[in-house]
Amino acid sequence: GEDVEQSLFLSVREGDSSVINCTYTDSSSTYLYWYKQEPGAGLQLLTYIFSNMDMKQDQRLTVLLNKKDKHLSLRIADTQTGDSAIYFCAESNTGKLIFGQGTTLQVKP
Amino acid sequence: GAGVSQSPSNKVTEKGKDVELRCDPISGHTALYWYRQRLGQGLEFLIYFQGNSAPDKSGLPSDRFSAERTGESVSTLTIQRTQQEDSAVYLCASSPQGQGLYGYTFGSGTRLTVV
Repeated sequence: GEDVEQSLFLSVREGDSSVINCTYTDSSSTYLYWYKQEPGAGLQLLTYIFSNMDMKQDQRLTVLLNKKDKHLSLRIADTQTGDSAIYFCAESNTGKLIFGQGTTLQVKP
Repeated sequence: GAGVSQSPSNKVTEKGKDVELRCDPISGHTALYWYRQRLGQGLEFLIYFQGNSAPDKSGLPSDRFSAERTGESVSTLTIQRTQQEDSAVYLCASSPQGQGLYGYTFGSGTRLTVV
């Protein structure tokens, strides 16, 4: 069945770049997403990428997709303390989203 | 409404009781989804409604779980004979269509604690 895997934890210093990685198994995924969950809050859609793209940039966020390796990454430039949160990778093909376990990003001042 | 509304926000129930969780999607959103998030875990898909199509119930963990949706509006998730392992945050989301193009808008969730 479909599966999405992420590393569980990443710690960076304020001002550095963060790279959060994700792998998925469904080769027919149409869209891939990154969501952000702050403590006690709901999930917020950060960005998405179509499977026929290999890169998408949106301000400090860069999404890279390697469809051959089924690997997705989210790069956050100039990471700030406000970026501390759990980041979820998700893929969609049949209308429902399948989520990874989430990566906790800790930003040290 | 402006967002996806879930109620109650918190629910504490005794083991063995039934609970009903409610979700009001964004007006006009044809697709509605329920997910479960256990403490420290990712989101586990439960059920998906798309318009008048038969719902995708493939994620429901047992026959104690059921969900209904009236047309393209309110949905209720019912858990019968609750168990302690049902303790989790139950998240509802809606989207304008079921193809995932626009992503989902999530509600704030219902935190269910079974004691």
